[in-house]
Amino acid sequence: ETGVTQTPRHLVMGMTNKKSLKCEQHLGHNAMYWYKQSAKKPLELMFVYSLEERVENNSVPSRFSPECPNSSHLFLHLHTLQPEDSALYLCASSQDLFQGLETQYFGPGTRLLVL
Amino acid sequence: AQSVTQPDIHITVSEGASLELRCNYSYGATPYLFWYVQSPGQGLQLLLKYFSGDTLVQGIKGFEAEFKRSQSSFNLRKPSVHWSDAAEYFCAVGSTSGTYKYIFGTGTRLKVLA
Repeated sequence: ETGVTQTPRHLVMGMTNKKSLKCEQHLGHNAMYWYKQSAKKPLELMFVYSLEERVENNSVPSRFSPECPNSSHLFLHLHTLQPEDSALYLCASSQDLFQGLETQYFGPGTRLLVL
Repeated sequence: AQSVTQPDIHITVSEGASLELRCNYSYGATPYLFWYVQSPGQGLQLLLKYFSGDTLVQGIKGFEAEFKRSQSSFNLRKPSVHWSDAAEYFCAVGSTSGTYKYIFGTGTRLKVLA
């Protein structure tokens, strides 16, 4: 596989469930990102990892828990979500930590529905 | 505050017609500007980017954009639209103010009529 892949592509979960989103990049990049894309709103950056260390957490509720076991994999663990968390969750990577210049490469996203 | 505005939420054009998608930004320093496209069921794909130099930037799929500092704009253009260009287009500014993120616009959804 090439580029950035995400699984699952679609997920329906209840508010009491625990689930995880997975992202894998095959580009040899050092930085990875989680974004939330909601209808009629700009993309929201959630988390940033560089060389497996979290460098930014944009005031994301604790019901979202990221994990980066290595530079190729990024997870987003979900628990006790709310219906307003329903959105498209996009993973992205860049060669190095984004300093305004780097191109980010996006995965296709996971469409999450919280019931 | 830094911001990106895409004033058109939806645009419809006929196949073969020319296209211009508007993007205005508010940013204190020289901006790094990007256009991304998102096809249905896909992630975002970079079309083109501007860092410095020539203000007319060529991208993939026949797209180009022009940086106009005096108007704080970075409009995307294509001379002849193809049906496969139907997608959502996002303008973004690369923030260099100590954070590691794009500032995205809300997107413009393009519909192409056969």
